[in-house]
Amino acid sequence: QKEVEQDPGPLSVPEGAIVSLNCTYSNSAFQYFMWYRQYSRKGPELLMYTYSSGNKEDGRFTAQVDKSSKYISLFIRDSQPSDSATYLCANTGGFKTIFGAGTRLFVKA
Amino acid sequence: GAVVSQHPSWVICKSGTSVKIECRSLDFQATTMFWYRQFPKQSLMLMATSNEGSKATYEQGVEKDKFLINHASLTLSTLTVTSAHPEDSSFYICSALYHRQPSYEQYFGPGTRLTVT
Repeated sequence: QKEVEQDPGPLSVPEGAIVSLNCTYSNSAFQYFMWYRQYSRKGPELLMYTYSSGNKEDGRFTAQVDKSSKYISLFIRDSQPSDSATYLCANTGGFKTIFGAGTRLFVKA
Repeated sequence: GAVVSQHPSWVICKSGTSVKIECRSLDFQATTMFWYRQFPKQSLMLMATSNEGSKATYEQGVEKDKFLINHASLTLSTLTVTSAHPEDSSFYICSALYHRQPSYEQYFGPGTRLTVT
């Protein structure tokens, strides 16, 4: 079992849709959770991070952590074509970060 | 978010030559930096973790004599690919860690595309 599992997609949605991206993790000792967005041929951009469990909202993005089920989610409201990218979840504790494989998202105009 | 720069953004070199890639943390002092490698449509593969003033810690399977990492200051880390071969062609990305409780934020550079001919 991979330490962070993420469906690679691709996920295709119409503009304006609510997007739900999900990951599961296995190491319950890692308390930090992050979501990155990566455009083609660019470095990943940190979107959000959360510590421990709960929700965090930033504009159209909401990150959610459910420690009981070891499930992390990123919701994108009112999705835009510019949101088309690969989204990577990550779980970290101390100085080791485990990344998911990334989900490719396409938002159609 | 914080800014991490990488130079060069792309480089083409001949087989057998060495290439140096610089990674700079512009907004904060990073005691820890990471170097990743990424193949097309694949996730990030951690190559090594470098801490300022000490030797880098390499992941299993990564040749430390081939991928030389130097973290000479709190804002600069370098990766040198020695005696490069075509199979070293890849996208190399560095990352700087900002860790102040409760924040744990890892910022990435824009990446360097290396092509070895």
